[in-house]
Amino acid sequence: EVQLVESGGGWVQPGGSLRLSCVASGFTFSTYNMNWVRQAPGKGLEWVSYISSSTSIYYADSVKGRFTISRDNARNSLYLQMNSLRAEDTAVYYCARGHSSSWPTPDVWGKGTTVIVSS
Amino acid sequence: EIVLTQSPATLSLSPGERATLSCRASQSVRNYLAWYQQKPGQAPRLLIYDASNRATGIPARFSGSGSGTDFTLTISSLEPEDFAVYYCQQRSNWPPITFGQGTRLEIK
Repeated sequence: EVQLVESGGGWVQPGGSLRLSCVASGFTFSTYNMNWVRQAPGKGLEWVSYISSSTSIYYADSVKGRFTISRDNARNSLYLQMNSLRAEDTAVYYCARGHSSSWPTPDVWGKGTTVIVSS
Repeated sequence: EIVLTQSPATLSLSPGERATLSCRASQSVRNYLAWYQQKPGQAPRLLIYDASNRATGIPARFSGSGSGTDFTLTISSLEPEDFAVYYCQQRSNWPPITFGQGTRLEIK
């Protein structure tokens, strides 16, 4: 079964940092592009970042310079280092696999991990 | 950045009825449009990619159409489990990939 499991969310004060992790199973992680997508409380979906299988990287303007995406294919893991966090970064963060032919369209999603930025 | 506008914001229908959801792009996205379903407390589920291709395991009652700037998601006969929020998403001109604001499909 294809599965993505996120972890690392929590409460952090403005200006703080968090590192999210996503462990993949059930598919050959190293060959897939991956995304982070977030959803603020009661709001819609917002794409955050993308990393290709060959480690091309893109960010949304809203997080550029503050967030860093990375992957460890040996550990089947995706990461999102979040620095200088703001209240508007409060959201559920989803790890999502890029579709094999319709990339970067997210096709498989984890259940998400919640990040709350508040003083 | 391409803006996707979904209509209506809320659609009230009964089980067995046909649902038609729309997504309009601020500029052409060719056929690079996807549709997702999201239920409360759950992650989104990919329904349709590249305008008209059903994702793995998606029932045949879900279909997508359109190209350029106007797209439609049709659910031919609503089942109780289909009441949810639906999002469209484009990958034509990225980054960023962008999502519509969602259409809530509720039971009448």
